[in-house]
Amino acid sequence: AQKVTQAQTEISVVEKEDVTLDCVYETRDTTYYLFWYKQPPSGELVFLIRRNSFDEQNEISGRYSWNFQKSTSSFNFTITASQVVDSAVYFCALSELSRQLTFGSGTQLTVLP
Amino acid sequence: SAVISQKPSRDICQRGTSLTIQCQVDSQVTMMFWYRQQPGQSLTLIATANQGSEATYESGFVIDKFPISRPNLTFSTLTVSNMSPEDSSIYLCSVSWDRGRGELFFGEGSRLTVL
Repeated sequence: AQKVTQAQTEISVVEKEDVTLDCVYETRDTTYYLFWYKQPPSGELVFLIRRNSFDEQNEISGRYSWNFQKSTSSFNFTITASQVVDSAVYFCALSELSRQLTFGSGTQLTVLP
Repeated sequence: SAVISQKPSRDICQRGTSLTIQCQVDSQVTMMFWYRQQPGQSLTLIATANQGSEATYESGFVIDKFPISRPNLTFSTLTVSNMSPEDSSIYLCSVSWDRGRGELFFGEGSRLTVL
């Protein structure tokens, strides 16, 4: 069975600080996909990134970066120089091949001015 | 990606009534899904909306409570029947073009409050 754990329920940082959101997953499959979504106060879920299980390269997109480590079953998300607009709930999710997404419980990030 | 529109965006309903939520996509999609997000919680899949046939429900969700239609490749509806306060949630429509990879795009959600 697939499972996603986001142990951090809430995080508060001051603007311009870096922040890392943790995600640990469980799966029995060798082929799977990992995702991060952002849910701002408006409620819509915004797709941020997808990684497949065979690609452990870290990825950077602007102020966002992702660290995928199969050895520890983790897919952590770092925001560099955080901004108030980054305040949102962030969800990590896992999909085994041809199965539906399983979402973590989410991390509420608050960036204070 | 595509533009995914949901109606209503929010509503306040009375106990015992039913409400139908619409999801319209501006292009044809392979897969359409309905999720529920209870207050302060994560997302839970209700069902997969199948075009031209009955939806596929996840454990804990039944057709009598959450009837779903999908008459074509761009439109689906979810009805929340005989509502109670426990049904107060955000209901989200999501779509995918790929059966195997699970990548989903979401509508803006419909926030229901049941009194």
